[in-house]
Amino acid sequence: QVQLQESGPGLVKPSGTLSLTCAVSGGPISGSFWWSWVRQSPGKGLEWIGEIYESGNTKYNPSLKGRATISLDKTENQFSLKMSSVTAADTALYYCARVFIQWGGGSDYFDSWGQGTLVTVSS
Amino acid sequence: DILLTQSPATLSLSPGERAALSCRASQSVSHFLSWYQQKPGQAPRLLIYDASKRATGIPARFSGSGSGTDFTLTISSLEPEDFAVYYCHQRSNWPPWTFGQGTKVEI
Repeated sequence: QVQLQESGPGLVKPSGTLSLTCAVSGGPISGSFWWSWVRQSPGKGLEWIGEIYESGNTKYNPSLKGRATISLDKTENQFSLKMSSVTAADTALYYCARVFIQWGGGSDYFDSWGQGTLVTVSS
Repeated sequence: DILLTQSPATLSLSPGERAALSCRASQSVSHFLSWYQQKPGQAPRLLIYDASKRATGIPARFSGSGSGTDFTLTISSLEPEDFAVYYCHQRSNWPPWTFGQGTKVEI
């Protein structure tokens, strides 16, 4: 069974860059999956940040105005998120997750999640 | 963006009762909708995909219905472990993929 584990600094200064990594174990970071980042502000709902396919194809939430970059490292079996110019509004619990792709026309869905890592933006 | 509106925000029920959670989309998402359960301190867990298909290992008391703009997650008889927050999620129109704001099922 695949497992995902986020890691990275828990505190980032305003205007700095948030950097997180998601280590994937129990399966290769390839196949019929998108590798995704989702965040949850304290006491709030879920916000999709973006995702990457094994080919390097990426999709991002336009609300982030180009600040997010997701990359993938097949040799290390991990993927990463960088978010620049962070503000207090980016303080959240960040999840990495796997999205199963239904090539036959069904809806893709999140089938595995990490436990999440809290990132606080503060000076 | 497709807006998903969940109602009610909070549902107060007792174990054994039936819960009906609504998710309404601002435009049609066909059947490209999934439901997730989140308990405090835990990551979300997939319950339903393709609007009505139960994920592996999900008890039969959970069911999903609907298509287009109106969807319902039904828990036929609440168990103590079902008290949690439930989110719907659409992957019909991108960008971006969106979530509903959640429904809290409380005792």
